[in-house]
Amino acid sequence: AQSVTQPDIHITVSEGASLELRCNYSYGATPYLFWYVQSPGQGLQLLLKYFSGDTLVQGIKGFEAEFKRSQSSFNLRKPSVHWSDAAEYFCAVALSGGSYIPTFGRGTSLIVHP
Amino acid sequence: SQTIHQWPATLVQPVGSPLSLECTVEGTSNPNLYWYRQAAGRGLQLLFYSVGIGQISSEVPQNLSASRPQDRQFILSSKKLLLSDSGFYLCAWMVRLMGDTGELFFGEGSRLTVL
Repeated sequence: AQSVTQPDIHITVSEGASLELRCNYSYGATPYLFWYVQSPGQGLQLLLKYFSGDTLVQGIKGFEAEFKRSQSSFNLRKPSVHWSDAAEYFCAVALSGGSYIPTFGRGTSLIVHP
Repeated sequence: SQTIHQWPATLVQPVGSPLSLECTVEGTSNPNLYWYRQAAGRGLQLLFYSVGIGQISSEVPQNLSASRPQDRQFILSSKKLLLSDSGFYLCAWMVRLMGDTGELFFGEGSRLTVL
């Protein structure tokens, strides 16, 4: 069965610093990959997605993620974090070729210090 | 454009009382629909999903049930709530483009507190 690991439960960064959130998946084939963001008390919003092609994908709010097949990773990055980026971030995986059920990681809580 | 509405936003219910959370999607047809529960610090737990009217799959055995009476309506119910049912409930729908893509769009969530 496919699985998604977000090894960091909490990440604390200073405003203006760079950010990298880690995501590893376990699946034999290349899946569809997603990052979602959740502000407190709200639903999830899609930040970016990878289906195929260029392994560096750009998303909203200045985020990007890089798919590395050899490492089964899809890490999320941002060069300069803003205080408004404080939120919960979820990595998700779906079987390429069609799946009804995406698998989510447990989430990483981002704390931004002024 | 597509939108998803979920209500009520907040609900406080006594143990043993019934529950009904509703979700509707606009601007699309025949979507896959999902109910997730999010307990504090525990990520997203898939409860039910539906690929069509009247078709419900349950991922976790519990005292909750789901129904899809119309194409774009998804309802989460319980006859008798337990304390452990407290949590943040999220409805979502999936984009269908050349088959299922795995990309989900979420509602704003319903915060349920069972006392």
